[in-house]
Amino acid sequence: GAVVSQHPSWVICKSGTSVKIECRSLDFQATTMFWYRQFPKQSLMLMATSNEGSKATYEQGVEKDKFLINHASLTLSTLTVTSAHPEDSSFYICSARDQASIYEQYFGPGTRLTVT
Amino acid sequence: QKEVEQNSGPLSVPEGAIASLNCTYSDRVSQSFFWYRQYSGKSPELIMSIYSNGDKEDGRFTAQLNKASQYVSLLIRDSQPSDSATYLCAVKDWNAGNMLTFGGGTRLMVKP
Repeated sequence: GAVVSQHPSWVICKSGTSVKIECRSLDFQATTMFWYRQFPKQSLMLMATSNEGSKATYEQGVEKDKFLINHASLTLSTLTVTSAHPEDSSFYICSARDQASIYEQYFGPGTRLTVT
Repeated sequence: QKEVEQNSGPLSVPEGAIASLNCTYSDRVSQSFFWYRQYSGKSPELIMSIYSNGDKEDGRFTAQLNKASQYVSLLIRDSQPSDSATYLCAVKDWNAGNMLTFGGGTRLMVKP
């Protein structure tokens, strides 16, 4: 149980285009999902907290107009990187918290984004 | 601002030895503590969670929590080469949005 999927697992896009990443909780309902970014040899950095049916809460320094988050259902959150630039190239990881438990978060497998 | 500190390593241990990973945190109100393992190019996977002072054992893994000293550690017994990974310590404060704050991770290398 407690499986989180992400799609796509990797994507290459051209500078200036937009990329959408999906995060799904497969066997549980997640009222809260988190989006992280990880650059090589660095730790996870929380970008935003996504709550079902409401606006996402962004961490300081994260542009909400560039990283669009939608959490339309209890099992799906999406992150859209708009007008991507090479510096947006990173490993994007989502995490979901089981509605039935306040304790643990389960991570998706991550999406590696490369912007050329 | 919460801080979670880990020695970045690498920590190198021979196969079969005990690996000891340490983590300190700055926020006294942190209530939940987690250890994640992350292989290169992969996302973190939860290994252990601990909520109260003392030791918690699960197979070859033992988490130790000392809230008075604000540290949490992870012991890996009978270390295997497959344990080579980066280990992330994370703390959570239920009163602060219930979000995880991660340490920078310790890279563990288990040599055959």
